[in-house]
Amino acid sequence: DGGITQSPKYLFRKEGQNVTLSCEQNLNHDAMYWYRQDPGQGLRLIYYSQIVNDFQKGDIAEGYSVSREKKESFPLTVTSAQKNPTAFYLCASSNWGQGTYEQYFGPGTRLTVT
Amino acid sequence: ELKVEQNPLFLSMQEGKNYTIYCNYSTTSDRLYWYRQDPGKSLESLFVLLSNGAVKQEGRLMASLDTKARLSTLHITAAVHDLSATYFCAVGQTGANNLFFGTGTRLTVIP
Repeated sequence: DGGITQSPKYLFRKEGQNVTLSCEQNLNHDAMYWYRQDPGQGLRLIYYSQIVNDFQKGDIAEGYSVSREKKESFPLTVTSAQKNPTAFYLCASSNWGQGTYEQYFGPGTRLTVT
Repeated sequence: ELKVEQNPLFLSMQEGKNYTIYCNYSTTSDRLYWYRQDPGKSLESLFVLLSNGAVKQEGRLMASLDTKARLSTLHITAAVHDLSATYFCAVGQTGANNLFFGTGTRLTVIP
């Protein structure tokens, strides 16, 4: 089955620890994205990548880092510099340069930092 | 920066009634998307609108796009409880992959 997987579904960490969220897709999409969603809010873009080994900051990149070493994978690290990391994190992917650019979303990771 | 406004933010409606959710955006765009989100879940794609005057329908939902007015609507016909969810519109920036999301409309359909 084609799709996007994120792991883990729930993640609990102590303040001051870095944590890495996994995102994998087998849709052969070039572009991948990370969004953050806070309760009752819309989605805000953290980082996106249009091609392997390249990525751009979104609206709220401070305190986050990413890598794109493989087309299928786009992990997100939430660093201790992120002041309020507790949120629901969604990964998405899309075609780039052709088609509808429709973004397909993974199931999400709910991160709680105490 | 492209700004997207949805209204209403909250909508409580009785089963069988009709209603419309509005999505306004601030700058030129060549594509608009509607998504549904159930509580605690991810986003599910509903409609992709790529041209002025585009209209798409699926079941009790119909979406339209007016690029000149920078407005999209999501019309709900004869609502049923299963439609209860949060609905987001997202607007694509011309020449880029980025999507800008509205704050969502939380729809509750009351039996």
